[in-house]
Amino acid sequence: DTEVTQTPKHLVMGMTNKKSLKCEQHMGHRAMYWYKQKAKKPPELMFVYSYEKLSINESVPSRFSPECPNSSLLNLHLHALQPEDSALYLCASSQVPSGVSSYEQYFGPGTRLTVT
Amino acid sequence: AQSVSQHNHHVILSEAASLELGCNYSYGGTVNLFWYVQYPGQHLQLLLKYFSGDPLVKGIKGFEAEFIKSKFSFNLRKPSVQWSDTAEYFCAVRSGSGNTGKLIFGQGTTLQVKP
Repeated sequence: DTEVTQTPKHLVMGMTNKKSLKCEQHMGHRAMYWYKQKAKKPPELMFVYSYEKLSINESVPSRFSPECPNSSLLNLHLHALQPEDSALYLCASSQVPSGVSSYEQYFGPGTRLTVT
Repeated sequence: AQSVSQHNHHVILSEAASLELGCNYSYGGTVNLFWYVQYPGQHLQLLLKYFSGDPLVKGIKGFEAEFIKSKFSFNLRKPSVQWSDTAEYFCAVRSGSGNTGKLIFGQGTTLQVKP
């Protein structure tokens, strides 16, 4: 099974709402990622978790709060978002890179977020 | 800072034409190189990857890419495209060392294949 699942597929939220995005994989990967993708643009890395610990935060505003409750799950908690945060949010997973070796990242289908 | 440059932003081809998409990166150390494809309405999928060894790598759906270290390039090729190859193509680089899986993506190339 090489699937990364994400829920919900679509989400519309107001600027005062609190919502969460969920991501799940059962490939035994211990690295998980959140990306943000605007239309016709490449994915932009937001967060990286390695062995359930946050290892990279790409200076993401605090209105985005990631959580990795276990090795299969990754959440992104959203609060007080702005309309410019509307985008496709992608989750990915991989084996934890070691030294100069690397592993491909498997991407989920994304959650299409609209902030009104 | 590391960067990835894809020179072709929008490519239009007829079916059976040959394809070459350019990708250059700026990093002097060991790199891992990837090409991802995003079909309309679908998630990012890995086409092929280069970690080490033979610089000519073959991927899925008849795609191949050649790593030329001296030119910092990793161009994607396909001898004969099909209408179903219409998609967004992203080159990505991960710089070596450490245990971070940070990928740097190029801006993407939109490929439109006319039937």
